[in-house]
Amino acid sequence: NAGVTQTPKFRILKIGQSMTLQCAQDMNHNYMYWYRQDPGMGLKLIYYSVGAGITDKGEVPNGYNVSRSTTEDFPLRLELAAPSQTSVYFCASSYYYRGSISGTEAFFGQGTRLTVV
Amino acid sequence: TQLLEQSPQFLSIQEGENLTVYCNSSSVFSSLQWYRQEPGEGPVLLVTVVTGGEVKKLKRLTFQFGDARKDSSLHITAAQPGDTGLYLCAGVDTNAGKSTFGDGTTLTVKP
Repeated sequence: NAGVTQTPKFRILKIGQSMTLQCAQDMNHNYMYWYRQDPGMGLKLIYYSVGAGITDKGEVPNGYNVSRSTTEDFPLRLELAAPSQTSVYFCASSYYYRGSISGTEAFFGQGTRLTVV
Repeated sequence: TQLLEQSPQFLSIQEGENLTVYCNSSSVFSSLQWYRQEPGEGPVLLVTVVTGGEVKKLKRLTFQFGDARKDSSLHITAAQPGDTGLYLCAGVDTNAGKSTFGDGTTLTVKP
């Protein structure tokens, strides 16, 4: 069982370039999330999705876009990369239904370390 | 925006010592989770606490949820080098299905 798979693991971008961070999960989870983690800090939610075709903004969505065309995949798009987007990006998924407590365990990928120069 | 404050930010101790880290908020959460993150990896869930005053034990780790469901603590007894990592608390919003993370406590246990 692969769990949550993120690609690439590392990437260096020049200012103004664009890229897509890939995320796939094979656990049939309905919820998926993108977080960024700056050095020595916790996780900030960028976008999340409650199911295929539905996405919503998190705390720090500016400069990013997402789509969720299938249950399995949740790519994150960076347009016009800026140095402030240098960070480690984590994708996560969970199985959740409204009011659930047990269903909120998030399973994380290994992260993508992005540097914008 | 609900905020979670964790303290201390950094903690370096010797093997065998006890320690407590704290997670505080001005907001009430439906439940609170503790994750551990090792370098180069994503966070992994340790425990979820749901009821005010609840205490859960996981081997040498004891987790407590405050009576008002605004704060939590993690106590480690006889710390070992394998406990080294970043400990994150996360407040759960069960209406939206998403969590708010604190900035974490970086724990280093020296042999």
